[in-house]
Amino acid sequence: KQEVTQIPAALSVPEGENLVLNCSFTDSAIYNLQWFRQDPGKGLTSLLLIQSSQREQTSGRLNASLDKSSGRSTLYIAASQPGDSATYLCAVRAAGGTSYGKLTFGQGTILTVHP
Amino acid sequence: EAQVTQNPRYLITVTGKKLTVTCSQNMNHEYMSWYRQDPGLGLRQIYYSMNVEVTDKGDVPEGYKVSRKEKRNFPLILESPSPNQTSLYFCASSLLSRATDTQYFGPGTRLTVL
Repeated sequence: KQEVTQIPAALSVPEGENLVLNCSFTDSAIYNLQWFRQDPGKGLTSLLLIQSSQREQTSGRLNASLDKSSGRSTLYIAASQPGDSATYLCAVRAAGGTSYGKLTFGQGTILTVHP
Repeated sequence: EAQVTQNPRYLITVTGKKLTVTCSQNMNHEYMSWYRQDPGLGLRQIYYSMNVEVTDKGDVPEGYKVSRKEKRNFPLILESPSPNQTSLYFCASSLLSRATDTQYFGPGTRLTVL
C-alpha cells in the first residue's frame, strides 16, 4: 500500500526566505505526483504536476522536483511571502493496473511566512 | 468558469438518516473522486470513477456509496450515517490524460453526524 510522508509537518519562516518542503513515497510505481495548496477552510488548489518521466516542473517562484527511484519530491519556494502561508500537500497517483485511479496524499506541511 | 461544485456546503444530521452530497463538474472530465479530510489523518480517498458507470473503491469506502450515471455528476451517498463519518468531504475531477491530470477540487462539504 502506498504511503506518502511530508516533512516537516510545520514550518515558520521570515518573509524573503527560500524554503524546501519534502515529500516521500514508498512505492515508486507512480503515474504522476502533484503538489497542492490548501488555505484554511478551503478546497485544494493544484500548484504543480510532475509526470513520472519528468524530473522537475516550475511555475513562477515554485519549483518541484521528482526522483522516482528514491521515492522523493521537493517543493522549492523562492523569496517567500506572507501570502504563501497555507498547508502544502503532495499526492501520488498509482501507475496502473487495478490501482490506477488511486490518489494517495501526504498529511501536509503547514507553512507560515511572517512579515 | 471551470469549476467543481458541491452541495450542501454544511450539513448537520442524525445517525441513520440517509443523505446525499452532490458533486458536479463542468469541464467534461472523465475522472471524479471523493475524499474525506480529518485532523491527523489527512486526505483519504473514498471512491473514484474513471468514467460513466465505472466506479471503484479508494482507501476508506466503508459506509459510503457512489454512482456515475452522467459524466458531470458524482454523488456521494451515506445510507446510514454514523458519528465517525463526521468529516470534511471534498470532490475532485480531472482529465486523466498523460498530458494533464491536474486535479480540480470542490469547496468542501462539512458534515456533522450527531
